[in-house]
Amino acid sequence: DIQMTQSPSSVSASVGDRVTITCRASQGISTWLAWYQQKPGKAPKLLIYAASTLQSGVPSRFSGSGSGTDFTLTISSLQPEDFATYFCQQTDSFPITFGQGTRLEIK
Amino acid sequence: QVTLKESGPALVKPTQTLTLTCSFSGFSLSTLGMRVSWVRQAPGRALEWLGRIDWDDDTFYSTSLKTRLTISRDTSKNQVVLTMTNMDPVDTATYYCARMGDPPVTKASEFFQDWGQGTLVTVSS
Repeated sequence: DIQMTQSPSSVSASVGDRVTITCRASQGISTWLAWYQQKPGKAPKLLIYAASTLQSGVPSRFSGSGSGTDFTLTISSLQPEDFATYFCQQTDSFPITFGQGTRLEIK
Repeated sequence: QVTLKESGPALVKPTQTLTLTCSFSGFSLSTLGMRVSWVRQAPGRALEWLGRIDWDDDTFYSTSLKTRLTISRDTSKNQVVLTMTNMDPVDTATYYCARMGDPPVTKASEFFQDWGQGTLVTVSS
């Protein structure tokens, strides 16, 4: 199975800050990576797929990059509604696997 | 508009079999390329993919859970059913069903596009 490792596990930031979250795959997955946002008590929401393609309706302050084993999710200017937990997921091969999550907290 | 909703028991006893139903609308699982997965999340933990059923009735399962899982569908009712045997307290989690990315079926579409609200299942005697 492909292992997905996110860092940091949690980060504190302020409204307006730029934040970057990293996801590393245990083997190369090309650009087959998705990112999700999850708020407490809610289902995850798809943000980005194919490493950098923004899902319809997702604000443009979210962006993704990377290929191979190293990927990043960047939020260019944090808004209050962005404080949540973020997960990466590899879409390269079965079984599908997720990162352990990064909790984005208000500073 | 695509919607999915999970239903089933909130509490099961250890060793029992769990059966959850995902009722969906806005798409047909008979349509070429459509796929529905089950994903769970233990309290405070990461997401864990359990398995998937495809438009052609093909199924795929988590490596670690495949001996305990069965996913089936009732196309006429727009439902997908998850069965998990020999439940244990470590299986306590919120269970989600999710529709996967729009066809065609490629590595670029193996993400979870639409999710149900989830249903919390507690395993306890």
